Amino acid sequence: GNSVTQMEGPVTLSEEAFLTINCTYTATGYPSLFWYVQYPGEGLQLLLKATKADDKGSNKGFEATYRKETTSFHLEKGSVQVSDSAVYFCALSPYNFNKFYFGSGTKLNVKP
Amino acid sequence: DTGVSQDPRHKITKRGQNVTFRCDPISEHNRLYWYRQTLGQGPEFLTYFQNEAQLEKSRLLSDRFSAERPKGSFSTLEIQRTEQGDSAMYLCASSPDRGNTEAFFGQGTRLTVV
Repeated sequence: GNSVTQMEGPVTLSEEAFLTINCTYTATGYPSLFWYVQYPGEGLQLLLKATKADDKGSNKGFEATYRKETTSFHLEKGSVQVSDSAVYFCALSPYNFNKFYFGSGTKLNVKP
Repeated sequence: DTGVSQDPRHKITKRGQNVTFRCDPISEHNRLYWYRQTLGQGPEFLTYFQNEAQLEKSRLLSDRFSAERPKGSFSTLEIQRTEQGDSAMYLCASSPDRGNTEAFFGQGTRLTVV
């Protein structure tokens, strides 16, 4: 079946610290992988995506690489800001794109 | 285009009442999804439309839940005889009918059953 597992939070970092949020998946076929972000009081927004193995998605200083051999899609950022405080969701969509499977979310708190 | 729009944003209802939510997807998006999100959890898939056809329903969608998408544009999600366990955020998303693309989410309807 299809599922996503991501590290539990909350994750608390100081400004300018390095961020890693782990995400692993199980899937049938060759899924596309996504990171969504949910800022307080707002809806889910796409942060980045990767559609095939070894693709790297990037946006706003965040990066994630689609690793088929380890079934992972870890989110990284070299220097976090207070404005990055949000809940981050890893997700996958199977090859036929009929639904998205989400992880349980990781809350990030960045302190000044 | 202002994105995916959901109405109402908040709904408080008494147990046993019926409620209906509306979703207006991004125009020309053929795919429409309903998800449910409870506190501290990721969104859970409820149902999926391709144009006006409801192609998939989750086992989470009990007989008290029904969704429609007449004419393949806006969609409604109705919950009959609401229960306290129905309290959640109901999210709508849409995507174009071409591969390898993300879903665009609305801000959700927060339902509280008292």
